[in-house]
Amino acid sequence: LAKTTQPISMDSYEGQEVNITCSHNNIATNDYITWYQQFPSQGPRFIIQGYKTKVTNEVASLFIPADRKSSTLSLPRVSLSDTAVYYCLVNTDKLIFGTGTRLQVFP
Amino acid sequence: DTEVTQTPKHLVMGMTNKKSLKCEQHMGHRAMYWYKQKAKKPPELMFVYSYEKLSINESVPSRFSPECPNSSLLNLHLHALQPEDSALYLCASSFVETSGRIDTQYFGPGTRLTVL
Repeated sequence: LAKTTQPISMDSYEGQEVNITCSHNNIATNDYITWYQQFPSQGPRFIIQGYKTKVTNEVASLFIPADRKSSTLSLPRVSLSDTAVYYCLVNTDKLIFGTGTRLQVFP
Repeated sequence: DTEVTQTPKHLVMGMTNKKSLKCEQHMGHRAMYWYKQKAKKPPELMFVYSYEKLSINESVPSRFSPECPNSSLLNLHLHALQPEDSALYLCASSFVETSGRIDTQYFGPGTRLTVL
């Protein structure tokens, strides 16, 4: 059973780059890694997905090392509106979310 | 249309009531999911439907009964719930690749359920 862990919380200031790491030691060969953002009382919102190396879209980058046992979500130049909980998800058939990281962005 | 809708937004029910949660998507997704989320916890998978057939039931108590009437709709029927069942119930949908791999899930806003 995949066990997916993240730091409980992180603080940052507006304009800084934030890196959130997820550990997924039991990832299987065919598993993808997906990151979601969640605001209070809302459903998770898709941010980015990857399988290996680096993936970049208009809002974030995802770095996955060769062993794929971890992944790092990078948010460039965060703003106050990025204050939220961030979850990684390993796309196994068990669809187990990570423990979640509460990001607080200060002015 | 890239939206998953859920109704109602809020629901309060007694332990003897019967109610239903509804979820709808029009993205052509053939997999739909129910999750339960308690405060300050990650979503926990309850059920997965793939091509309108129940493919995963994560040992959920029988007081929760899912139903997938067609490829766009997913219901969760509730009966004789307990106060500890109070939570945010999330619906999601995704494509399913021919390999069976689950693609990116898109979530609805959730139904906040309170059981008195």
